Amino acid sequence: SQQGEEDPQALSIQEGENATMNCSYKTSINNLQWYRQNSGRGLVHLILIRSNEREKHSGRLRVTLDTSKKSSSLLITASRAADTASYFCATDRGKLIFGQGTELSVKP
Amino acid sequence: GAVVSQHPSWVICKSGTSVKIECRSLDFQATTMFWYRQFPKQSLMLMATSNEGSKATYEQGVEKDKFLINHASLTLSTLTVTSAHPEDSSFYICSARTEGTEAFFGQGTRLTVV
Repeated sequence: SQQGEEDPQALSIQEGENATMNCSYKTSINNLQWYRQNSGRGLVHLILIRSNEREKHSGRLRVTLDTSKKSSSLLITASRAADTASYFCATDRGKLIFGQGTELSVKP
Repeated sequence: GAVVSQHPSWVICKSGTSVKIECRSLDFQATTMFWYRQFPKQSLMLMATSNEGSKATYEQGVEKDKFLINHASLTLSTLTVTSAHPEDSSFYICSARTEGTEAFFGQGTRLTVV
């Protein structure tokens, strides 16, 4: 069962540009997490934001959380070709339920 | 970050046979392990949640008798796909966590049933 909806489903940008991905969910959560997946590989944890937090930064990543709107966004600044991957949000209520994902392509 | 090892990374098996996939947390004790299935170009679908020493909790629509999950210790969980058929071909991923923390993922197992 999928908890979240992500948009866009696919995003293609040039190196140096910013990439913004959005995630909406339906139920209350303990926290929300963002993951990255390179093609055919496992997932890499990017950032966790708790339900009582509104914004969090990690390097070039910025995550926001709006629990009133049940939505989150992931911003990657100054993108690089190596950022090309699929990005998933996952809501945490004891178990992680993943959104549909955004396929990001960063062209050099 | 913590390391989760999943084995094998890929397997090809004949229809009707069973396949076991192992998931180990190498440097931490995982109170909970999750098993996911992923089809090409799609998201991860949670199959089941397992807590050490207790029976797995399966998601709706997942056949318990087909996908046997054992979580015998705090560092090992196994998924056995019984009597595999071509429609079971997929990418299976495990993850492990200690309560309240982020989950760490294995590298996945690509199962092909011929």
